[in-house]
Amino acid sequence: AAGVIQSPRHLIKEKRETATLKCYPIPRHDTVYWYQQGPGQDPQFLISFYEKMQSDKGSIPDRFSAQQFSDYHSELNMSSLELGDSALYFCASSLLVAGDLYEQYFGPGTRLTVT
Amino acid sequence: KNQVEQSPQSLIILEGKNCTLQCNYTVSPFSNLRWYKQDTGRGPVSLTIMTFSENTKSNGRYTATLDADTKQSSLHITASQLSDSASYICVVSAGSNSGYALNFGKGTSLLVTP
Repeated sequence: AAGVIQSPRHLIKEKRETATLKCYPIPRHDTVYWYQQGPGQDPQFLISFYEKMQSDKGSIPDRFSAQQFSDYHSELNMSSLELGDSALYFCASSLLVAGDLYEQYFGPGTRLTVT
Repeated sequence: KNQVEQSPQSLIILEGKNCTLQCNYTVSPFSNLRWYKQDTGRGPVSLTIMTFSENTKSNGRYTATLDADTKQSSLHITASQLSDSASYICVVSAGSNSGYALNFGKGTSLLVTP
């Protein structure tokens, strides 16, 4: 079965550079979520999109922005990178299971290292 | 403050033994509770998902329980296998709209040894 695809899987950037992470949700999933997981930390919700519109916002820094495109893929743009941005970035997509219950499926993550 | 607390932080068991992981939460309003298995450097994989009206759900050797009154959940793993070694994360969801976020616990790191 198709899964959530993230690219690149690994990325190394220097401080103050920019980075763009991409997420391709499972076909027919209409919601995409972005999470940041620092070393030894639990994932922190950044932002989500439903039908190409931002639906919820978490602890996303102002230096980051994201959008969902017409084909439902999403991109997380990160500017003025800081050492603390080094983390595993997960994308998840969701499908309505029943009622208002959504099951989130996670991608393999993009490991960003800022040097 | 993390609204999802898990215990123990880590656990080592022998292959074939059973174990139970605990989760307490304060997330409100409560929508559903999930248990995920996460291998190192990989994305979390869903094991079970329960709404407030469900108090037990099984997925193979994994059985989750939920007490919405005491806001506690447990994940029981029977006849453990070496491949069960991973981090098990309790995740609680609030709200009921399509864009709601998940509140993650810090996970229990399980090591199954031969």
